[in-house]
Amino acid sequence: GAGVSQSPSNKVTEKGKDVELRCDPISGHTALYWYRQSLGQGLEFLIYFQGNSAPDKSGLPSDRFSAERTGGSVSTLTIQRTQQEDSAVYLCASSFRELGGNEQFFGPGTRLTVL
Amino acid sequence: GEDVEQSLFLSVREGDSSVINCTYTDSSSTYLYWYKQEPGAGLQLLTYIFSNMDMKQDQRLTVLLNKKDKHLSLRIADTQTGDSAIYFCAESSPDSNYQLIWGAGTKLIIKP
Repeated sequence: GAGVSQSPSNKVTEKGKDVELRCDPISGHTALYWYRQSLGQGLEFLIYFQGNSAPDKSGLPSDRFSAERTGGSVSTLTIQRTQQEDSAVYLCASSFRELGGNEQFFGPGTRLTVL
Repeated sequence: GEDVEQSLFLSVREGDSSVINCTYTDSSSTYLYWYKQEPGAGLQLLTYIFSNMDMKQDQRLTVLLNKKDKHLSLRIADTQTGDSAIYFCAESSPDSNYQLIWGAGTKLIIKP
């Protein structure tokens, strides 16, 4: 079946512009996660959705970052007034979160380059 | 907060066994995971182990869990060039509301 998809796969933008990154989770998955991975680094947790609500926004690096999820499905991560340090691969994952387990399925990521 | 640690690099010869190690601090971990990330790709779940198990084997992969020492390892037998990737360890527990806590990843380098 279809996996997690993300768009665009690559985004080059100028400093100060806003960008929107999209994630389509696996159908039926209730939980959705956004991570950021800088070059050669591990995963940095950004935000987690359960359904349409975000119980954990603790990882968002600044108020320039926001995310929403509608219909318990598609999610959009928005970065306003992008800075060069925002350049990274943004990964989305989804899971059918059940008690005791949290197997996350990842999309291929969006590579964001801020010039 | 809880932490997961891994070595950043491991270099092995093709055909040898690779052992990637991970330590964690959360004593209430229930699931521990190994993910693989190939160059330019997303993360793929390799295997996972429930905390009441000591060992899990799946073809060339063997996961060992020492719960007392909070140590997890992934052994890859007969390492091949296709095993070149970054391997991430992660754990989840009720204390973290089953969020995954990630290690920084170990880059496995295969020497011919």
